[in-house]
Amino acid sequence: ILNVEQSPQSLHVQEGDSTNFTCSFPSSNFYALHWYRWETAKSPEALFVMTLNGDEKKKGRISATLNTKEGYSYLYIKGSQPEDSATYLCASAGGGYQKVTFGTGTKLQVIP
Amino acid sequence: DTEVTQTPKHLVMGMTNKKSLKCEQHMGHRAMYWYKQKAKKPPELMFVYSYEKLSINESVPSRFSPECPNSSLLNLHLHALQPEDSALYLCASSQVGGGNTEAFFGQGTRLTVV
Repeated sequence: ILNVEQSPQSLHVQEGDSTNFTCSFPSSNFYALHWYRWETAKSPEALFVMTLNGDEKKKGRISATLNTKEGYSYLYIKGSQPEDSATYLCASAGGGYQKVTFGTGTKLQVIP
Repeated sequence: DTEVTQTPKHLVMGMTNKKSLKCEQHMGHRAMYWYKQKAKKPPELMFVYSYEKLSINESVPSRFSPECPNSSLLNLHLHALQPEDSALYLCASSQVGGGNTEAFFGQGTRLTVV
């Protein structure tokens, strides 16, 4: 994988449902993996930065896991709420560690 | 203060104009970034400044000229742009320039070149 890829591109879920998205990134020269939440008309907001294989991070109802050997990360949202509606971006830092490459994002809409 | 402030929010400029985008942060961050985002595409890194020195230029055309006058300010000077340069320009900062620190983003400047 040369680019950072995210799936699905968009997702509609009912309020209360749990959901997850995938981020795939180049596993060679891996340095760090970022997750951001980007609400319309606002700034992207950092959720997690993960560096170690097997890392798991949690913030409230949102959690993320990291597999650096196979080059993927999952983001989980438990009990989705309408305020979770946003685009979720992942970004991989590798090869030139300041160079962060973003995926195209997963657009989540939570229906009340 | 955890804000990155970008001005202006919107800018329309002609192909012969010269304009500047401004970005400011007061978090003591020593790395600052410019990204460009076209519709339905991911943000693309343009420039990285680390300790007020340009450390990454991602082969950006010379019609984009970055400047970091001090550790709190980052400018992007625009000259002789093309319509295809129309995009959202995002500024970000982080504590140090490594890729393992979270970045704080501004809301962006929506640029239209006519």
